[in-house]
Amino acid sequence: AQSVTQLGSHVSVSEGALVLLRCNYSSSVPPYLFWYVQYPNQGLQLLLKYTTGATLVKGINGFEAEFKKSETSFHLTKPSAHMSDAAEYFCAVSGGSYIPTFGRGTSLIVHP
Amino acid sequence: NAGVMQNPRHLVRRRGQEARLRCSPMKGHSHVYWYRQLPEEGLKFMVYLQKENIIDESGMPKERFSAEFPKEGPSILRIQQVVRGDSAAYFCASSPPSEGDDEQFFGPGTRLTVL
Repeated sequence: AQSVTQLGSHVSVSEGALVLLRCNYSSSVPPYLFWYVQYPNQGLQLLLKYTTGATLVKGINGFEAEFKKSETSFHLTKPSAHMSDAAEYFCAVSGGSYIPTFGRGTSLIVHP
Repeated sequence: NAGVMQNPRHLVRRRGQEARLRCSPMKGHSHVYWYRQLPEEGLKFMVYLQKENIIDESGMPKERFSAEFPKEGPSILRIQQVVRGDSAAYFCASSPPSEGDDEQFFGPGTRLTVL
């Protein structure tokens, strides 16, 4: 069984500020973890993924995430927010199955 | 390499009509997944198909919904006798054949509105 919890349905930051989107997961097997971004009226696009190996994963658009097994977390960060980062972000976990489980999403709002 | 294609992008149906949503996976991908997204909610898995086979339909409603992925042509998600509660965005994703968990590539979605 697997599940994902994204803390905070909305996160608001100022342009240039740190972005931190939280994701905690549960999985009965070693997890594969993903972050996707969804812009309005579009499909999901992969930002980054963790499978095995290095626990700090770098993705597109300056985002990165760190897999912390002891905390069962996979938080997404970006040092400096840009207006174009405003979107919906989804964390997902899969493991032992080809079907990922998605979180409910976090809407990132960036203020000028 | 064209991405995952879905059509139509927007579909309006009256209650009781049928809705057919099409998905063409990326070239070389033989796995197709359908998801439903309701406002303020995440993606809910519906069904996982490979060519001519339904692998997992645990997320499909028991009635009115069906899916297929024929040997030739796109995958079809069919909703019979639509009701207002079926209004949602329906996303298709595809992935290549592999031994392990892989990234899914998503289409732009079909937004179904039931009047």
